[in-house]
Amino acid sequence: GAGVSQSPSNKVTEKGKDVELRCDPISGHTALYWYRQSLGQGLEFLIYFQGNSAPDKSGLPSDRFSAERTGGSVSTLTIQRTQQEDSAVYLCASSLTRGTDTQYFGPGTRLTVL
Amino acid sequence: AQSVTQLGSHVSVSEGALVLLRCNYSSSVPPYLFWYVQYPNQGLQLLLKYTSAATLVKGINGFEAEFKKSETSFHLTKPSAHMSDAAEYFCAVSDQRYSTLTFGKGTMLLVSP
Repeated sequence: GAGVSQSPSNKVTEKGKDVELRCDPISGHTALYWYRQSLGQGLEFLIYFQGNSAPDKSGLPSDRFSAERTGGSVSTLTIQRTQQEDSAVYLCASSLTRGTDTQYFGPGTRLTVL
Repeated sequence: AQSVTQLGSHVSVSEGALVLLRCNYSSSVPPYLFWYVQYPNQGLQLLLKYTSAATLVKGINGFEAEFKKSETSFHLTKPSAHMSDAAEYFCAVSDQRYSTLTFGKGTMLLVSP
């Protein structure tokens, strides 16, 4: 079956612009996670969704970052007023539920802020 | 707070040699532990996971890892390296409340012919 998909695969934007990154999880997976991978910080957790709710937003680095999930499926990560330090690969993962279920990762969106 | 330490940002082996990638964790509760592999320009793929069952865990592509509570370690091994094993490997520990993953910095495995 289809895996986790993310779009766009690459995004180049200018400092100060807003960007939206999309994640389509595996059908039927109730848990969805966003992570960020950057050279300086490695892989960092951003936010966790269970269904459409986000009980853990502790990894969002600032209030410029927000995310939503609709219909228990698609999720959008929005970064407002982008800064150069936001440049990174943004990875989405989904799992059937939380607990010991495997998290399946998408290919990521590479964001470059000029 | 949980944390993961991977010793060695780069490990080089010859094809056919033993692969050993080291991972130590810190957790206040019994951990769930994972190894993921990342090939260039791709997402992360699960190699294996430890979830408090058998301490020796076998994964895909001939990899295995042993959970040692006394050493707080979860090292990844493979008896004989293949060129296709060249990739970056990440060890991770799971938060048991929401299952968010805390990753190590990663180890790049280089395999020479």
